Amino acid sequence: GESVGLHLPTLSVQEGDNSIINCAYSNSASDYFIWYKQESGKGPQFIIDIRSNMDKRQGQRVTVLLNKTVKHLSLQIAATQPGDSAVYFCAENKGKIIFGKGTRLHILP
Amino acid sequence: DTGVSQDPRHKITKRGQNVTFRCDPISEHNRLYWYRQTLGQGPEFLTYFQNEAQLEKSRLLSDRFSAERPKGSFSTLEIQRTEQGDSAMYLCASSQRFGLARGYNEQFFGPGTRLTVL
Repeated sequence: GESVGLHLPTLSVQEGDNSIINCAYSNSASDYFIWYKQESGKGPQFIIDIRSNMDKRQGQRVTVLLNKTVKHLSLQIAATQPGDSAVYFCAENKGKIIFGKGTRLHILP
Repeated sequence: DTGVSQDPRHKITKRGQNVTFRCDPISEHNRLYWYRQTLGQGPEFLTYFQNEAQLEKSRLLSDRFSAERPKGSFSTLEIQRTEQGDSAMYLCASSQRFGLARGYNEQFFGPGTRLTVL
């Protein structure tokens, strides 16, 4: 069965605000997670990853938080821009990638 | 362009016909993956190759599906006797495995081939 899943199918955020996309996983042995961004008509694009020996990892305008106690991870996007509009997937990398269902991020002007 | 490429980008076929898709991975990548994505869902793993060897196949890969990677470079995915349920986006990804005992390297995805079976 699915090992990762997202809480909300859609999220609407005002341009310039921060976005937070949440994800839960079921297997406490899972140790490598990735966030992907998929724009319409394109393949998934790697955003940021995190391994279970870390709680937090930061990239350019993005931060991933991992809470192993409650098996939850989140993607934070700072100062959301129109170009951030896409579907976001949390996924587990087990050699093959196990994707969740995705959250569509809408940017409001 | 040095990314993963797929051909064709779109394919419309009639039920019962055979179709073949091609994937060209990033040139130095020795692992190649196929995924299928239906509308509103995340991609689902189908199969993967390390060099020319097909190492794993999902239960989603029915007998009508066959994948090859004859020279360890490009790969083809063939679907025989297509059914309407085969309509989906077929994604290819590649990665480099550096011979680590444990550890999975980043997979780079192509743009996909969108298949519509009428």
